[in-house]
Amino acid sequence: SQQGEEDPQALSIQEGENATMNCSYKTSINNLQWYRQNSGRGLVHLILIRSNEREKHSGRLRVTLDTSKKSSSLLITASRAADTASYFCAEGNNFNKFYFGSGTKLNVKP
Amino acid sequence: DTEVTQTPKHLVMGMTNKKSLKCEQHMGHRAMYWYKQKAKKPPELMFVYSYEKLSINESVPSRFSPECPNSSLLNLHLHALQPEDSALYLCASSQDRGQGDGYTFGSGTRLTVV
Repeated sequence: SQQGEEDPQALSIQEGENATMNCSYKTSINNLQWYRQNSGRGLVHLILIRSNEREKHSGRLRVTLDTSKKSSSLLITASRAADTASYFCAEGNNFNKFYFGSGTKLNVKP
Repeated sequence: DTEVTQTPKHLVMGMTNKKSLKCEQHMGHRAMYWYKQKAKKPPELMFVYSYEKLSINESVPSRFSPECPNSSLLNLHLHALQPEDSALYLCASSQDRGQGDGYTFGSGTRLTVV
C-alpha cells in the first residue's frame, strides 16, 4: 500500500472547537506536508514541516512532527464551518515518491 | 501564475475511445505528477516526470500513457479504459524532488468510463 495511516478517519466537532488529526508515515522523510481537499476538488497545500523541525505554526494551524515515532499531528484551533473537508498528510522524500495518508474527514457543525 | 490548470474538468468516455487529459503550469516547476483518486480514498501516485523525463511509473497499466512535451505541459493519454478506471485524476507540480515548499495541485479531471 502506498498510504500511511491517519486517525481518526472521521471527526465531527462544533464550530469554535479544536480539531486534532494524527498521521503515521512509513518512509524516511525530508518533510511532512498537510493538505486539505474539499469534496471532489483538488488538494490545497496547508503546511510543510521539515524533518529537523518539531513544531510549526501557520495561522490557526499547528503541526508537530516526531520522527522517532514516524508520526505527525495537525491541530486546527477555533474551527469554522469552512474548515469542513478531508485532510491528508503526505511524505516528502528524496525520491519523488510522494504518498498520501489515508485521510481524516472533518465535519465542523455551525 | 501560481496555478496548475487541468482540462477538461469532466470527461465521459467509452471503453473503445481514445482521449487525453492535459495539465499545464507556468511556475517553473521541474517535477510533475499524475495521481488517481477513487471516491473516499487518498490520491494514489501514478507517474512522476522530473526534468521532462519519466522517473517513476507505479506499475500503471499500459492503457494509461503519460507524456511530457515540455517543462510546462503534462498529458495523460487514455485508451481502452475499463469502468473501474473511473476516478478523479489529479495533476501536481513541484520545484524538485519533494524538498521544496510543497506541491501545487490542479482541480482535477473527473473521468467516467462507460
